Amino acid sequence: QSALTQPASVSGSPGQSITISCAGTSRDVGGYHYVSWYQQPPGKAPQVMIYDVSNRPAGVSNRFSGSKSGNTASLTISGLQAEDEADYYCSSYTTSSTLVFGGGTKLTVL
Amino acid sequence: QVQLVQSGAEVKKPGASVKVSCKASGYTFTTYAMHWVRQAPGQRLEWMGWINADNGNTIYSQKFQGRVTITRDTSASTAYMELSSLRSEDTAVYYCARVYRDGSGWYWYFDYWGQGTLVTVSS
Repeated sequence: QSALTQPASVSGSPGQSITISCAGTSRDVGGYHYVSWYQQPPGKAPQVMIYDVSNRPAGVSNRFSGSKSGNTASLTISGLQAEDEADYYCSSYTTSSTLVFGGGTKLTVL
Repeated sequence: QVQLVQSGAEVKKPGASVKVSCKASGYTFTTYAMHWVRQAPGQRLEWMGWINADNGNTIYSQKFQGRVTITRDTSASTAYMELSSLRSEDTAVYYCARVYRDGSGWYWYFDYWGQGTLVTVSS
């Protein structure tokens, strides 16, 4: 199972919006409504920010939003803040009850 | 509160096996599945497999099939991940993470993670 494709890095200034893409295939991202996004600060465990493509868990800022079009999912962070600087990973359900992660994207807040 | 507490760091020689534990508390262990994810230094998250804590059924990533075994002890609310035939490329932080299920089925995302266990493979 190949990893989902994410940009290696994105950057933005405080207050701006950024979008991270997550490209898969019809066997994963495009075939199911089970895409999730995780934030991972350096040296820490990941934390879910979005699940089922666009749902936010309780306690996650509404500055984080998710969407999907075809085989590509996206995470958008609006009103960028310094605390958002971290690595971000997408994940998708795929065939036979397995999961796959993306390659990860390093977000830098300028 | 929900906690997943993993066993401590391990150093192993190539060819050996390692068994990492993940003790759950704060919820009904058998209502969830436990997944295992690893992360080599500076690398991406990599999904390894999971166990249905209720019936013990397992599913593994093709990459690790034959080398990984995930088990659980419901009386101890603990899941285990054993990886055999270790090589240097298996040096990584190994995480357990839970997935919820209700009458509609599994929710395919991780809402809680363990703190991670560093496994170092070196001769």
